[in-house]
Amino acid sequence: SQQGEEDPQALSIQEGENATMNCSYKTSINNLQWYRQNSGRGLVHLILIRSNEREKHSGRLRVTLDTSKKSSSLLITASRAADTASYFCATGPGAQKLVFGQGTRLTINP
Amino acid sequence: ETGVTQTPRHLVMGMTNKKSLKCEQHLGHNAMYWYKQSAKKPLELMFVYSLEERVENNSVPSRFSPECPNSSHLFLHLHTLQPEDSALYLCASSQALGPGRGRYEQYFGPGTRLTVT
Repeated sequence: SQQGEEDPQALSIQEGENATMNCSYKTSINNLQWYRQNSGRGLVHLILIRSNEREKHSGRLRVTLDTSKKSSSLLITASRAADTASYFCATGPGAQKLVFGQGTRLTINP
Repeated sequence: ETGVTQTPRHLVMGMTNKKSLKCEQHLGHNAMYWYKQSAKKPLELMFVYSLEERVENNSVPSRFSPECPNSSHLFLHLHTLQPEDSALYLCASSQALGPGRGRYEQYFGPGTRLTVT
């Protein structure tokens, strides 16, 4: 299976701190994506990193990819209460067939 | 979340009912998806339509029947469901260039929370 697995399953930090989530996968990939889901809502695409990239930034988000270890990390800097959500990584054997992990539930405490 | 709408947002149905979920995307995409999200389970891909053809059916029971009349609309027809079918059903869309090809980013609707009693 190419399923991504996030770690930790749950993370609780204070507002202003940085949050780091990790994703591991099993087979070769073309790219890896991160999505956010607020409670009971749809997923929102955050960032896509290609297999030939090692790091990518988008605002307060920083994603790294280590294809030799088949892992990726998502760093959210200077966290805010609005960052409270579940975060999922997704990989795909091709477009139109993404496989999602179980997600990391992030709670930002005021 | 914007750009993909789903109705209804909440649905309670008995095991003998027939209902339909509707999804509409306003992004000009040509691939649409149904996912099932149950508590404590990964998001499960159910069906994929690309360029209005069904290209994926992940061993979904026949009590779920998808319909894609055009590239902007997607339905999920439900009949004789079981309590274990209670879940959040998510619709998504993306831009396809052909079967298995296209942009990887998917755009999701807010979901329909389905409860089967």
